Amino acid sequence: SQTIHQWPATLVQPVGSPLSLECTVEGTSNPNLYWYRQAAGRGLQLLFYSVGIGQISSEVPQNLSASRPQDRQFILSSKKLLLSDSGFYLCAWSAGTGGYEQYFGPGTRLTVT
Amino acid sequence: QKEVEQNSGPLSVPEGAIASLNCTYSDRGSQSFFWYRQYSGKSPELIMFIYSNGDKEDGRFTAQLNKASQYVSLLIRDSQPSDSATYLCAFKAAGNKLTFGGGTRVLVKP
Repeated sequence: SQTIHQWPATLVQPVGSPLSLECTVEGTSNPNLYWYRQAAGRGLQLLFYSVGIGQISSEVPQNLSASRPQDRQFILSSKKLLLSDSGFYLCAWSAGTGGYEQYFGPGTRLTVT
Repeated sequence: QKEVEQNSGPLSVPEGAIASLNCTYSDRGSQSFFWYRQYSGKSPELIMFIYSNGDKEDGRFTAQLNKASQYVSLLIRDSQPSDSATYLCAFKAAGNKLTFGGGTRVLVKP
């Protein structure tokens, strides 16, 4: 069966510090991968998605970036965090072919102070 | 107009009753629809998906899709306190992306 991991689970970072969040998927090949952010009490905002290694599509221009160095690894980064970057960051995967349902990882709760 | 509209709630339901959640969408070309459950502080969990007009049942959950009227609904029968959560509606947008609604918060009272 497929499993999706995210780390860290929680993170408190000062404004202006860098960020690196990692997501890995097990039990599937060539998945589509997604990064979402959910602000407190808000809906899901798609930040990036990837259909393959090195292929990244950005949905919202901001100070975040994403990379996919391996088939089942997705990384979200920032060089300098803003207060507005606080939120619940969720990684998700869907099958590369066939169904469109997405499955979410446990998430990383980021607080920028 | 938002692409996906959901009543934010809270929808208060007595234990054992039926909870009825509705979602309307603006993209007439949408073909695939999803319901997720999200407990407070947790990530969303897929509970149902539906691609064809009509009803789809899975245990205590029934999803209903009406493409002509552009709405999808979720019924939760015999509601339990453990069903208290936020329910997110989503549809397949362009490419492999999903567009999510803001969610409906459900409270099941014993």
